[in-house]
Amino acid sequence: DSGVTQTPKHLITATGQRVTLRCSPRSGDLSVYWYQQSLDQGLQFLIQYYNGEERAKGNILERFSAQQFPDLHSELNLSSLELGDSALYFCASSVEQGLAGASFFGPGTRLTVL
Amino acid sequence: GENVEQHPSTLSVQEGDSAVIKCTYSDSASNYFPWYKQELGKRPQLIIDIRSNVGEKKDQRIAVTLNKTAKHFSLHITETQPEDSAVYFCAASPNYQLIWGAGTKLIIKP
Repeated sequence: DSGVTQTPKHLITATGQRVTLRCSPRSGDLSVYWYQQSLDQGLQFLIQYYNGEERAKGNILERFSAQQFPDLHSELNLSSLELGDSALYFCASSVEQGLAGASFFGPGTRLTVL
Repeated sequence: GENVEQHPSTLSVQEGDSAVIKCTYSDSASNYFPWYKQELGKRPQLIIDIRSNVGEKKDQRIAVTLNKTAKHFSLHITETQPEDSAVYFCAASPNYQLIWGAGTKLIIKP
């Protein structure tokens, strides 16, 4: 167990809908990263937050948005869902006090868009 | 920006043999190089990492080597076992962000 939690574990929804994925980082970790992993693919970096502020953006679609709250948990919002959005969504957290360090991943949310 | 290339994409080795996975990076400012193992349907898990001030690090059957001049680093697994079958990802970090390789699927043949 990495100490990073994600809810829900599974999500099945229809095209055009909107969903929210939730992540709680490890205690003491200030940084949260979101990744998308499609079947048999690599890890696509979406977005990073550090202590409540957006720090870096990757290949995140305009239909997707995220935020990090004062208690450091983060939410990823996916809207106008398409079939191609079906994937495993991971969040990861790290301490990040000025020096790059290990990221610890949550168990992921498997999103299925029908 | 940083770019990480990982080879091979698939590696099949006999149980008990060694496996080597290689990554190259482009940004000489990269100073942190972790390796992750991902079993099917599970989360990536950190298995070993190395910083740029170290040339080699070992942890039981796994080791990582770093060549800063050539800008490449490698994962070595000795005496491979069936439970080593997984996808392995390398990453490099020039600042606070990890830049990922595409992954290597390691298959251990009985």
